[in-house]
Amino acid sequence: DQQVKQNSPSLSVQEGRISILNCDYTNSMFDYFLWYKKYPAEGPTFLISISSIKDKNEDGRFTVFLNKSAKHLSLHIVPSQPGDSAVYFCAASDRGSTLGRLYFGRGTQLTVWP
Amino acid sequence: DAGVTQSPTHLIKTRGQHVTLRCSPISGHKSVSWYQQVLGQGPQFIFQYYEKEERGRGNFPDRFSARQFPNYSSELNVNALLLGDSALYLCASSPTMTTYNEQFFGPGTRLTVL
Repeated sequence: DQQVKQNSPSLSVQEGRISILNCDYTNSMFDYFLWYKKYPAEGPTFLISISSIKDKNEDGRFTVFLNKSAKHLSLHIVPSQPGDSAVYFCAASDRGSTLGRLYFGRGTQLTVWP
Repeated sequence: DAGVTQSPTHLIKTRGQHVTLRCSPISGHKSVSWYQQVLGQGPQFIFQYYEKEERGRGNFPDRFSARQFPNYSSELNVNALLLGDSALYLCASSPTMTTYNEQFFGPGTRLTVL
């Protein structure tokens, strides 16, 4: 059962433009959401997170938006840089019952071209 | 500071064999989680260990087992290997059970079952 879904396997964006990566979830008990970035031959690296009590969290070029009613979150990268090219995973957790466990989406391959 | 380390990097086994994968967490981290990432999918939770005790288990058969040692390193064991066990196995460490945004991943062990 895929409780976290990333329906776009790939996204291609020109350098300097905005990249928007989307994620949907089905479990209404999820209360904490994270984005990870993964380069080839490396483990996923934590990028940014958001608690369900917020609807936006910003860190430099990265902003995550959460729409609880739609069970949808998105990651905005502005401006996009070639070094941002990687696979981005959305992850979620139900901190009340599944301590420490993260549910991941399938990932979106972002390619930023010059 | 050393990050999460995993060994071996790559492994090739045949069906029916047994495999042991190893993980050393970041110094000071007491929680270790294991994830399986099949090609084209996101990481799937297998186990979490904290203070040498199993604290969570995903939907994996009993062929999968793990343990955590007094120095907080961990082993993942898989018995009676199947072709479907071919995957990237990721280890993640964090200071506590619930430090989600500080869950650091290792580079993974690529297991191929022939």
